[in-house]
Amino acid sequence: DADVTQTPRNRITKTGKRIMLECSQTKGHDRMYWYRQDPGLGLRLIYYSFDVKDINKGEISDGYSVSRQAQAKFSLSLESAIPNQTALYFCATSGTDRGPYNEQFFGPGTRLTVL
Amino acid sequence: AQSVTQLDSQVPVFEEAPVELRCNYSSSVSVYLFWYVQYPNQGLQLLLKYLSGSTLVESINGFEAEFNKSQTSFHLRKPSVHISDTAEYFCAVSDHSGTYKYIFGTGTRLKVLA
Repeated sequence: DADVTQTPRNRITKTGKRIMLECSQTKGHDRMYWYRQDPGLGLRLIYYSFDVKDINKGEISDGYSVSRQAQAKFSLSLESAIPNQTALYFCATSGTDRGPYNEQFFGPGTRLTVL
Repeated sequence: AQSVTQLDSQVPVFEEAPVELRCNYSSSVSVYLFWYVQYPNQGLQLLLKYLSGSTLVESINGFEAEFNKSQTSFHLRKPSVHISDTAEYFCAVSDHSGTYKYIFGTGTRLKVLA
């Protein structure tokens, strides 16, 4: 079984709809991240969480919110989806045993299309 | 603020030829450097990383990267590519400040031709 899972894997929605993307991990990591990937722009950080009570904005948090329901679960919400939020979304996790240079482990991604 | 530049968006190369994917970074503090690979329809996987020590780091599948502090570069190389190396490659930096965040480059799409 995959260590980092994302649901759904694909989603098509309409402008103005609320949508939630979910991420679960079985790696026991404290740190979790949400990124979006756009062609030619690479990955950009939306939100990150170092533990259940610690949530921080990334470089492109406008229009998004998150919830860390448990150590293993980190959800990303689009309160009112708009077409320019069409992208590939990745969840990632990392541990803390090696300080800042723990590698990040990525989920398989969610392809979101907003019509 | 840190930044990462991957100069080539696409690199076509014939099978068994050598390849270099370029990565330059900008930072006022010491950094950790990473290369991630994304195969089609998959998430990102760590390919190799530079943390400290030897400036030449290697991966298990024949890639290597060299940290050059004076040129602020961390180019990825492979002496002979395979069709299976076709993927998108991302360079990333993380600083030593304890923020644990990565800054990713825009990616280089490597296409290996038969």
